Order: sequence, then structure tokens, then C-alpha cells
Amino acid sequence: DTGVSQNPRHKITKRGQNVTFRCDPISEHNRLYWYRQTLGQGPEFLTYFQNEAQLEKSRLLSDRFSAERPKGSFSTLEIQRTEQGDSAMYLCASRQGGTLEQYFGPGTRLTVT
Amino acid sequence: AQSVTQLGSHVSVSEGALVLLRCNYSSSVPPYLFWYVQYPNQGLQLLLKYTTGATLVKGINGFEAEFKKSETSFHLTKPSAHMSDAAEYFCAVRGENTPLVFGKGTRLSVIA
Repeated sequence: DTGVSQNPRHKITKRGQNVTFRCDPISEHNRLYWYRQTLGQGPEFLTYFQNEAQLEKSRLLSDRFSAERPKGSFSTLEIQRTEQGDSAMYLCASRQGGTLEQYFGPGTRLTVT
Repeated sequence: AQSVTQLGSHVSVSEGALVLLRCNYSSSVPPYLFWYVQYPNQGLQLLLKYTTGATLVKGINGFEAEFKKSETSFHLTKPSAHMSDAAEYFCAVRGENTPLVFGKGTRLSVIA
């Protein structure tokens, strides 16, 4: 499968714990995006990488959230001290520079209890 | 700043009937417009996109959309609904160097 993959697909954690999600983009894509989608809403932009550089962060990305893309390939999104309000689907997307279409992964559904 | 408004959070049609999902956008720059479909517990799949040129764009699964600048609209249509079209549909807009901004989505139900 050469699409965008995300792991894990589901994560249940207790409030206050740290969680980390991984995204593997399509191999030749140099742009990588993270979005958050809550129930009944469309995806909301969190952050964006071009290669290993994090170029843009949304105000939604509080200081408890950090994202990395150390070698310009896969990316991780970490949430520290999770809160119930962090419960959502976290979507990753990638695209090749010079093109418009973003390809989405299946998402990681986070439930904070 | 950009924004998207999708009119109707839930649309229900009979199998074989016309599908019309409405999307209005706001953009201070020439917009790129997209429709995505999301099936339960899955990511988003691109149905179609408008960049420049022809204002009527055709996508996958028989869907099409028309960009109307004067009405700031990009409504999605399909002549004949199929049961497999039941899903959540999202309209999105972006500029040249801006992130995708999504609407809240419209859930399409198809009744046999």
C-alpha cells in the first residue's frame, strides 16, 4: 500500500498521560499536514511541514502539542498531559510540492478518559 | 482569511434521485476549491477540485461541481444517487500558500 499510513488507528488513554502518533506520508511527498477532527466538525489544520521544517502552526496547537518530522519522511505528533477535550480524530495528509491535492491517511482516533 | 459554509448538516435523498450538496466560500485570494468524501472511520478521499479554467469540474463516482465566482459557490451534484454514496461530504478552500479550510460537513443518506 503506497498511501498515507497512520499508527495507531485507535488510542485510549487516561487524562494526564502523554500520547504519540505516527504518520508515514507517501514516499515522494515533501509536504506533510496534521489536522484534528472532532465529532460533527470538519478537519481543522494543526501544523504543516515542508521536508523537515515546520513552517506553520495553528493557534489550535497549544504548548502541550508538539510535532516533528526529523528526517523529512515520517512525522510524529505528541500530546502531553492529555485532557478530555483532546479526544478527536487526528488526520495526517501529504502532498508533493507543485501539486494541490492532499492525500489523507485513515486517522488516529484518540479517546481520553 | 478563508471560510466555508456548507448548507445543511444532513441531506437525505432517494436512490436514483439528484444529489445536491451546497457549499459557499469566502476567500480574499483566488481560491482553490475541493470536495472530499469520508466514510465511517476512514480518512478523506478527494472527489474533485477546482483550480483555474473550466468552471464545471468532474470528479470520481459521477460527481461534479460548478465554480460560480459571482455567487461564491461550489455546489456538488450527482444526477442519480446510489446507496454507496451515503457518507460525509466536506467542502474545502485554500489559497496558493494557505492550509485547507474545511466546512463542517454534510452527511448524505440514501434511502432505498
